Amino acid sequence: QVQLQESGPGLVKPSETLSLTCTVSGASISSYYWTWIRQPAEKGLEWIGLVYTSGRTNYNPSLKSRVTMSLDTSKNQFSLKLSSVTAADTAVYFCATAPIAVGAFPDSWGQGTLVTVAS
Amino acid sequence: EIVMTQSPVTLSVSPGERATLSCRASQTIDSNLAWYQQKPGQAPRLLIYGASTRATGIPPRFSGGGSGTEFTLTISSLQSEDFAIYYCLHYNNWPPGYSFGQGTNLEIK
Repeated sequence: QVQLQESGPGLVKPSETLSLTCTVSGASISSYYWTWIRQPAEKGLEWIGLVYTSGRTNYNPSLKSRVTMSLDTSKNQFSLKLSSVTAADTAVYFCATAPIAVGAFPDSWGQGTLVTVAS
Repeated sequence: EIVMTQSPVTLSVSPGERATLSCRASQTIDSNLAWYQQKPGQAPRLLIYGASTRATGIPPRFSGGGSGTEFTLTISSLQSEDFAIYYCLHYNNWPPGYSFGQGTNLEIK
């Protein structure tokens, strides 16, 4: 059973960089796709991007210019950096994983962490 | 970019009745479609993948259908715990990427 836990600051100032880490247990980080998804309050789900084996990435075109994702296999973690944040980036951020062998759909999710962008 | 459109936005159904939710893709996506259920304050829960395969532990009253551009999620006899928001997701196997629908709020009538 894969378990994921998001961590990082809950408050980020406008124009700064949002940084989150997802710690994975119960799975080898090299065997899955690892993804970040966010959800503003009372709104739907938005895919941010994903990182996979060898550190390759694929980002949502609408956020691509501001997103960086990476893997740290030694710590079984993957991370998200979102630069130049505004109030519109305030959301619950979820990390999730997709089993490559079965399909690219996320099947395990973290509980989510609220990030507020405010001064 | 593939756009996923769900309908209706809100669906009001009585317990014990059948609910059918729809999801349309802006271009063909074969069967690369998943359905999720989300309750307030919780992460989404995978229900269906491959358009019609139930995920582990999902009761048989949940069924998915369709292929190409038109998909449905049917809940055959609504239980109280089924009232939630449902999202469809197109997943691209290579290169991997996702597009979510905007969600359908299934509420008690």
